[in-house]
Amino acid sequence: KAGVTQTPRYLIKTRGQQVTLSCSPISGHRSVSWYQQTPGQGLQFLFEYFSETQRNKGNFPGRFSGRQFSNSRSEMNVSTLELGDSALYLCASAGGGGGKNIQYFGAGTRLSVL
Amino acid sequence: GENVEQHPSTLSVQEGDSAVIKCTYSDSASNYFPWYKQELGKGPQLIIDIRSNVGEKKDQRIAVTLNKTAKHFSLHITETQPEDSAVYFCAASIPGYSTLTFGKGTMLLVSP
Repeated sequence: KAGVTQTPRYLIKTRGQQVTLSCSPISGHRSVSWYQQTPGQGLQFLFEYFSETQRNKGNFPGRFSGRQFSNSRSEMNVSTLELGDSALYLCASAGGGGGKNIQYFGAGTRLSVL
Repeated sequence: GENVEQHPSTLSVQEGDSAVIKCTYSDSASNYFPWYKQELGKGPQLIIDIRSNVGEKKDQRIAVTLNKTAKHFSLHITETQPEDSAVYFCAASIPGYSTLTFGKGTMLLVSP
């Protein structure tokens, strides 16, 4: 079974631009979560989507948004990029049943904001 | 919300020694505690997990213990090998949600 796939692996943007990251979950998984990883703050939860609906949201500004498609693939968007948005963005998929909530992570997208 | 604290931040051991990483959590409702290993350039990989109805779980050289009363859980790695060198994260989640709250991570270095 293929794992979680994130594209692109690397991105370089400038302040003020916007960016879209993509995540394809493990086949059959309906839950997709996004996390931001930085050296200072560690791994922080952004949001979770389940069956195309945002089920949970972390404490990030409205510039961070996401969506999920009917095939469970997910995208996250960051608008008006700031230098502090430079981070590794990780996507994780889970069976989504609420009981066995094991999350499997992709390799991440490394975003650098100049 | 949930808060997870992890210690130590770095740990250096000799090959063959044991390594122990400890985490505490704040929300008594948390019932699922996974441990992830992250190697350079890769995403976190689940290595073992434990649920609140179990006190200990073992998988070959890796074990996890949970003390619900004290709200802490630990990862034990025996007979460490250089390939165990990585950053290890503990996490916690509450029932009904997939969302994980992570500790800050422990960089484990195993010297040959």
